Amino acid sequence: DTGVSQDPRHKITKRGQNVTFRCDPISEHNRLYWYRQTLGQGPEFLTYFQNEAQLEKSRLLSDRFSAERPKGSFSTLEIQRTEQGDSAMYLCASSLRPRGNTEAFFGQGTRLTVV
Amino acid sequence: QKEVEQNSGPLSVPEGAIASLNCTYSDRGSQSFFWYRQYSGKSPELIMFIYSNGDKEDGRFTAQLNKASQYVSLLIRDSQPSDSATYLCAVEPQKLVFGQGTRLTINP
Repeated sequence: DTGVSQDPRHKITKRGQNVTFRCDPISEHNRLYWYRQTLGQGPEFLTYFQNEAQLEKSRLLSDRFSAERPKGSFSTLEIQRTEQGDSAMYLCASSLRPRGNTEAFFGQGTRLTVV
Repeated sequence: QKEVEQNSGPLSVPEGAIASLNCTYSDRGSQSFFWYRQYSGKSPELIMFIYSNGDKEDGRFTAQLNKASQYVSLLIRDSQPSDSATYLCAVEPQKLVFGQGTRLTINP
């Protein structure tokens, strides 16, 4: 499978715990996005990387959220001290920028439930 | 003003008819425009992209772009019940930004 891969698919955690999600993009893709999606809403931008550089982080994102892409390949998204409001689907997408087609493809997502 | 706006619907269309989905965007510097389909509980799936003014057709789908009016649309011809889903418009000025999606229901 050469698509975008996310792990885990589902995560249930207790409020106050830390969680980390992983995203493996399509192998030649240099751009990687993280989004959060709640029921009935479109994907909300969290952050994105061009290779290993984090180009932008949403102003709506608290300091409890951090993302890395250390070698320009896979990325991790960590949420510290989780709150019930963090319950959502976390989506990763990758694309090839600026050369080539710019279409972004999504992984299957990680569904987080904070109890 | 939101960066990308869509009518959240629901939009109900009889089977076999044309479904028309609309999207407006605020950043005039946007160069790339996308339509994604999302079934309940699944991740978004890319179905169309368009970079130039005018129409682009792919099977039953036609994307239309008017940069002067900052308007993108998606037409689905011969709508099928399997087209029932949420359709997300996405625009890429610098980063990829999504609208809230339009829920489409095709009635047999």
